[in-house]
Amino acid sequence: SQQGEEDPQALSIQEGENATMNCSYKTSINNLQWYRQNSGRGLVHLILIRSNEREKHSGRLRVTLDTSKKSSSLLITASRAADTASYFCATARANAGGTSYGKLTFGQGTILTVHP
Amino acid sequence: GAGVSQSPRYKVAKRGQDVALRCDPISGHVSLFWYQQALGQGPEFLTYFQNEAQLDKSGLPSDRFFAERPEGSVSTLKIQRTQQEDSAVYLCASRVQAGERNEQFFGPGTRLTVL
Repeated sequence: SQQGEEDPQALSIQEGENATMNCSYKTSINNLQWYRQNSGRGLVHLILIRSNEREKHSGRLRVTLDTSKKSSSLLITASRAADTASYFCATARANAGGTSYGKLTFGQGTILTVHP
Repeated sequence: GAGVSQSPRYKVAKRGQDVALRCDPISGHVSLFWYQQALGQGPEFLTYFQNEAQLDKSGLPSDRFFAERPEGSVSTLKIQRTQQEDSAVYLCASRVQAGERNEQFFGPGTRLTVL
């Protein structure tokens, strides 16, 4: 079953604009990851944020995590046509010992379209 | 460098046929995962291997699904007596070591269509 829910389901923007996608989840997590998927390159890991982190940056990507609200957001700045893809959040659940072997639970994804 | 590879990339089966899907993980990667992705959905976990040991098979939808990794490298996902609801993309992912600290590298997937 899907744990995460992404919002919005679809997002259409112009090149150069920022894109923000949100993700909610239900259980305690060890970390949360964002992936991109397009037909050309399959599923690609973008960024990982641990449960004790609140914000992380990687290039044009900014991820926030609010464990009290069980939510995360992914911001892509200065978007490009090549950013057109589906974006998924995925959570690695914490087990009783506080660790996990990394099994991922994915949301349903946000389809991002960036128009040139 | 070589990533995760899967074969075949596309498979069409008649209902009731058995299929075998292969995953070649990145060399030396300890952890291997199988996921199932239905059209328009996110991937869903099927099973997990640490080396040759299958430590979690809680996501396998029925006893028609069987996975193995006998030598701790290549893995095969077998589906017996395929049904139409088995139509999906089957993704394999590997990670360099056990534990949660490393990203998973995904293969391109096998798109299974059951007629």
